[in-house]
Amino acid sequence: NAGVTQTPKFRVLKTGQSMTLLCAQDMNHEYMYWYRQDPGMGLRLIHYSVGEGTTAKGEVPDGYNVSRLKKQNFLLGLESAAPSQTSVYFCASSYGGLAGGPSNEQFFGPGTRLTVL
Amino acid sequence: RKEVEQDPGPFNVPEGATVAFNCTYSNSASQSFFWYRQDCRKEPKLLMSVYSSGNEDGRFTAQLNRASQYISLLIRDSKLSDSATYLCVVSFYTGGFKTIFGAGTRLFVKA
Repeated sequence: NAGVTQTPKFRVLKTGQSMTLLCAQDMNHEYMYWYRQDPGMGLRLIHYSVGEGTTAKGEVPDGYNVSRLKKQNFLLGLESAAPSQTSVYFCASSYGGLAGGPSNEQFFGPGTRLTVL
Repeated sequence: RKEVEQDPGPFNVPEGATVAFNCTYSNSASQSFFWYRQDCRKEPKLLMSVYSSGNEDGRFTAQLNRASQYISLLIRDSKLSDSATYLCVVSFYTGGFKTIFGAGTRLFVKA
């Protein structure tokens, strides 16, 4: 099993360009998440999904859109990139929700390092 | 006040030392608590869940103090391979779930 994979691993964009980050998981998890991680700050939730065809906003959703057309894939889109979106983006998945218990362990992908110039 | 706060460190300890980290949280309705480990330029991975009665996994012991709203992680007999950033994670449900990651505590174990 590959677990959670992300593409691309690195990307440099110019301000105003668009791109899509792809996350895939092969663990049949219902829940998927997109986070960003910035120096000195904890992981912040951008959007999440509780199942195929559903998405919801997290803590910092502005400037991002997501789609979950297939259970195993969760896409993060930046329509018009800004320098403030320079960050490391992590995708994660989990079997359960976050009400507690070991089934709520989140499995993370290796991350995408995005720089917006 | 941040919802989850950790001392960023770094903690520099020699091999074999015992080191402890604390993490405070502000939401008294918090239900689930975890410690994750993140190596440099890698993804976070679950180290252990934290249960109300406290729990131990080898050299690692986690404690929860609901009255004072903090969790702790104790590492005994530190190894070089323990060098990493330790993330405190708190979850609660209030009409929708919310999971808050702390910014992490950096640990360097020296030979």
